[in-house]
Amino acid sequence: AQSVTQLGSHVSVSEGALVLLRCNYSSSVPPYLFWYVQYPNQGLQLLLKYTSAATLVKGINGFEAEFKKSETSFHLTKPSAHMSDAAEYFCAVRVTSEAAGNKLTFGGGTRVLVKP
Amino acid sequence: EAGVAQSPRYKIIEKRQSVAFWCNPISGHATLYWYQQILGQGPKLLIQFQNNGVVDDSQLPKDRFSAERLKGVDSTLKIQPAKLEDSAVYLCASSLAEGVLYQETQYFGPGTRLLVL
Repeated sequence: AQSVTQLGSHVSVSEGALVLLRCNYSSSVPPYLFWYVQYPNQGLQLLLKYTSAATLVKGINGFEAEFKKSETSFHLTKPSAHMSDAAEYFCAVRVTSEAAGNKLTFGGGTRVLVKP
Repeated sequence: EAGVAQSPRYKIIEKRQSVAFWCNPISGHATLYWYQQILGQGPKLLIQFQNNGVVDDSQLPKDRFSAERLKGVDSTLKIQPAKLEDSAVYLCASSLAEGVLYQETQYFGPGTRLLVL
């Protein structure tokens, strides 16, 4: 079965500093990987997704993530944090098998605090 | 394009009471999902519909939870009777996919926040 681990439930960054959110996955078959963002009292919004094309994926709001098969990682980065980036971020995996269908498995989430 | 709509946004009930949540997916989306998100955790899939048929309900506590999607559009999720541990945000999502397209994006609604006292 697939699983996702997000290292660090809380991350605090200064405005203008690098944002790095870590995600490691476990899957016996090639995965599809996603990053979602959740603002307070809202649903999840897709930031970006990896679907076996380019390993460096660019998303919305200046975020990008790199798929590294050897490290089973899909870390999310943004060069310069903005106050509006304060939110909770979820990494998710979907495996490519008929049995799994379209089911997403989410990590526990990382809450980002941006300090002025 | 209108997004996924959910109601109510908030609900407070006492344990052993029943409650129902409603979801209206994005127009034309064949697949609908209900997730449970407990505070401090990622969402967990409860049930997935393809049109009005159930694709996956392996994690749905069927002794108290039920869901239906009549006519392949709107869906309702019901809990009867509710327990304290059901306090969570219930998220509805939809995707366009007909059949299994693994990279298909799921679009989420704002969720219904349930508190069971």
